[in-house]
Amino acid sequence: AQSVAQPEDQVNVAEGNPLTVKCTYSVSGNPYLFWYVQYPNRGLQFLLKYITGDNLVKGSYGFEAEFNKSQTSFHLKKPSALVSDSALYFCAVRDRSASKIIFGSGTRLSIRP
Amino acid sequence: NAGVTQTPKFQVLKTGQSMTLQCAQDMNHEYMSWYRQDPGMGLRLIHYSVGAGITDQGEVPNGYNVSRSTTEDFPLRLLSAAPSQTSVYFCASSLQGPTNEKLFFGSGTQLSVL
Repeated sequence: AQSVAQPEDQVNVAEGNPLTVKCTYSVSGNPYLFWYVQYPNRGLQFLLKYITGDNLVKGSYGFEAEFNKSQTSFHLKKPSALVSDSALYFCAVRDRSASKIIFGSGTRLSIRP
Repeated sequence: NAGVTQTPKFQVLKTGQSMTLQCAQDMNHEYMSWYRQDPGMGLRLIHYSVGAGITDQGEVPNGYNVSRSTTEDFPLRLLSAAPSQTSVYFCASSLQGPTNEKLFFGSGTQLSVL
């Protein structure tokens, strides 16, 4: 069975500081990994994905994520946070041998000016 | 392109009533899915489909039915609504595979069951 854990309900960061939102996963095979963002009263938007190749993937709005197979992690990062980055962030996983896509419980990112 | 269209945006039901949440996409995506979003629970997969005529259960399928008669449409049916089904429902679709895979989400349906 596949699963995703986001251990932090909320992450608070000062504007201009680096941010990290954590994600760990469990699949029986090789994963496809994703990050999505949800702004207030909106649907979810795709940020980035890891399929294969370079462990560091870059996505929208200056975000990047690092795939670590040994630690089964896919943490979301940004070198310098903006107040506009404040939103709800979701990590998701698909086992390559399956079709369904499973999401984590979400992490609320709050960037203070 | 309209993307993923969900209707209605809001719905209030009484316990025991039935209804269908509609979802349509115009991107020729083979994969379609329904999620519910509850505070502290994230997005939980209800049902999904990999093509017309093929559906499968997700993490929380009880109380919900789906069908996929066409590539474009993937309706979610609540046969006898319960207060525990009060939630925000999202439909999402995607191509699958290493090149183009990413979910496109509808704008959501806020459902209250009294």
